[in-house]
Amino acid sequence: EVQLVQSGAEVKKPGESLKISCKGSGYSFTSYWIGWVRQMPGKGLEWMGIIYPGDSDTRYSPSFQGQVTISADKSISTAYLQWSSLKASDTAMYYCARQGYDILTGYWRAFDIWGQGTMVTVSS
Amino acid sequence: QSVLTQPPSVSAAPGQKVTISCSGSSSNIGNNYVSWYQQLPGTAPKLLIYENNKRPSGIPDRFSGSKSGTSATLGITGLQTGDEADYYCGTWDSSLSAGGVFGGGTKLTVL
Repeated sequence: EVQLVQSGAEVKKPGESLKISCKGSGYSFTSYWIGWVRQMPGKGLEWMGIIYPGDSDTRYSPSFQGQVTISADKSISTAYLQWSSLKASDTAMYYCARQGYDILTGYWRAFDIWGQGTMVTVSS
Repeated sequence: QSVLTQPPSVSAAPGQKVTISCSGSSSNIGNNYVSWYQQLPGTAPKLLIYENNKRPSGIPDRFSGSKSGTSATLGITGLQTGDEADYYCGTWDSSLSAGGVFGGGTKLTVL
């Protein structure tokens, strides 16, 4: 079964660091991109960035550039999202999702597999 | 303010049909595939439509997608109470700040 399994919920204080994970299984982890999507309480989906575990090529949304770091360890089929100094406004559900790229057309495919989400709560 | 524009809410009675629009521009919808996602309360988003009009295995043919120019539409026929959810369109934006983009989401209420 193709799946992405994310790490568990986190409760942190402002200023603390955090790294959450997303482990892929059932497919070639290095052949698809892994994206991260934020959903703040009661709000919509926001695209944060994406990484290609095959060569660690990473793209960020301007809204999140410099605020988070996306990385991957292909040896253990795991992608990461990390913060060096959390803020209360980082409180949200974070999803990872698999995305393909159509080389022939240059079009990006859909997010076809989603993780279950990791709830991050930042509060003093 | 989302790059892609969706109506905040739509509603219809069970058994009826509803459409949800998604409006963008030439740098996103006009130049890439559109996908649609269903998010039931308290769950992760789920792929409903990919490459503008294709359904993943297991998605009933009550759900359909179309794209024309810089707009896309999700159609749902034979509405069921279990279809009550938030629906999001998504695509890639090829502008200077290239990256994925989503619509703001549409809450479907089945009356």
